[in-house]
Amino acid sequence: DGGITQSPKYLFRKEGQNVTLSCEQNLNHDAMYWYRQDPGQGLRLIYYSQIVNDFQKGDIAEGYSVSREKKESFPLTVTSAQKNPTAFYLCASSPKRSPLHFGNGTRLTVT
Amino acid sequence: AQKVTQAQTEISVVEKEDVTLDCVYETRDTTYYLFWYKQPPSGELVFLIRRNSFDEQNEISGRYSWNFQKSTSSFNFTITASQVVDSAVYFCALSGLGGGSNYKLTFGKGTLLTVNP
Repeated sequence: DGGITQSPKYLFRKEGQNVTLSCEQNLNHDAMYWYRQDPGQGLRLIYYSQIVNDFQKGDIAEGYSVSREKKESFPLTVTSAQKNPTAFYLCASSPKRSPLHFGNGTRLTVT
Repeated sequence: AQKVTQAQTEISVVEKEDVTLDCVYETRDTTYYLFWYKQPPSGELVFLIRRNSFDEQNEISGRYSWNFQKSTSSFNFTITASQVVDSAVYFCALSGLGGGSNYKLTFGKGTLLTVNP
């Protein structure tokens, strides 16, 4: 079955550690996105990528980094520079000019 | 800048009631897309509808209907005869058409709908 896989579902880290969230899609979509969701808030765009080896900052990119070395994969690294990293992270992908498909999300807790 | 406002933070209804979720948007773009997504407790966002700004015709899909009014910058979502399975957070979102780019969605804060048996 085609889809977007985010792993792990729950992730715990100590403050000061970098952590990488995985996002893989087998839908052959060109574009991929990372959103952050906080309780009672909408989703905010962190980074997006329209093609391999290219990505752009979204609205809240500070403290995050991404790579897009393969079409299928768009990992997100939450660095120690991110002041409030605890959140629910959603990855999405889409073909050109089509609605986004979302993964099941990773809930990151940093203590 | 784009903005989406969902003024209703939480709505609670009894099964079989009709319920309308409000969405008001702001954009300087002359052409744009509007979306509704559903987020059940499992967490993933499920796409419900996309409407482009050219088309103000209302749409009905089963128990779901959408009312797009450009004059009031609103894109409201009605669930008729609600069911317990409709309980979820519902997000309204907006995107410019942006030339050859894919969508950068601006989301509202969501409305938590609880349908009680």
